[in-house]
Amino acid sequence: DADVTQTPRNRITKTGKRIMLECSQTKGHDRMYWYRQDPGLGLRLIYYSFDVKDINKGEISDGYSVSRQAQAKFSLSLESAIPNQTALYFCATSDLQTSGSNEQFFGPGTRLTVL
Amino acid sequence: AQRVTQPEKLLSVFKGAPVELKCNYSYSGSPELFWYVQYSRQRLQLLLRHISRESIKGFTADLNKGETSFHLKKPFAQEEDSAMYYCALQNPGSARQLTFGSGTQLTVLP
Repeated sequence: DADVTQTPRNRITKTGKRIMLECSQTKGHDRMYWYRQDPGLGLRLIYYSFDVKDINKGEISDGYSVSRQAQAKFSLSLESAIPNQTALYFCATSDLQTSGSNEQFFGPGTRLTVL
Repeated sequence: AQRVTQPEKLLSVFKGAPVELKCNYSYSGSPELFWYVQYSRQRLQLLLRHISRESIKGFTADLNKGETSFHLKKPFAQEEDSAMYYCALQNPGSARQLTFGSGTQLTVLP
């Protein structure tokens, strides 16, 4: 679904570097999420946002920060990347008002490697 | 805390055979459960949700509160069903975020 885009799609960086992953959506949804996917662990929630002024920590927020610059944009930052943050990162959106039970729409993912 | 368990990381069946992907959950209230699917080179997408009681692409899933299970079933598997399947539980509070299982990679052999 091209309505949710993520940049970059792939990134290799070094330990200690600051990294920002960006997510944009044209679906007009109010809710946005960041997940990381690791083999054998499925998707784990890092942060989520209900609107521009509402940011919430997820299951594994340590080492990450987020910014909701506008309804359509939700960025994930790694202030000082470490190798165990190597993973596939997904952004997702949802709109509880219209979808009822919180169907989430996912971006294509960003593969991040920290050396 | 709520938890979703998918005991099988990998599952292989032959085309035309029945398939069942297992999902068990732990949650004390009335759960809202989903199955998401990720086909090769495609995005993760919703397959079905238990409240809809629907059948999508021949798949069904019944919520069994006694066994705390939400297994995904299809009577006759097709090669195009090969994908990664995730079971997810929705937090029914105001946050409504999803808790995902670890996923099952289904391969349907010709």
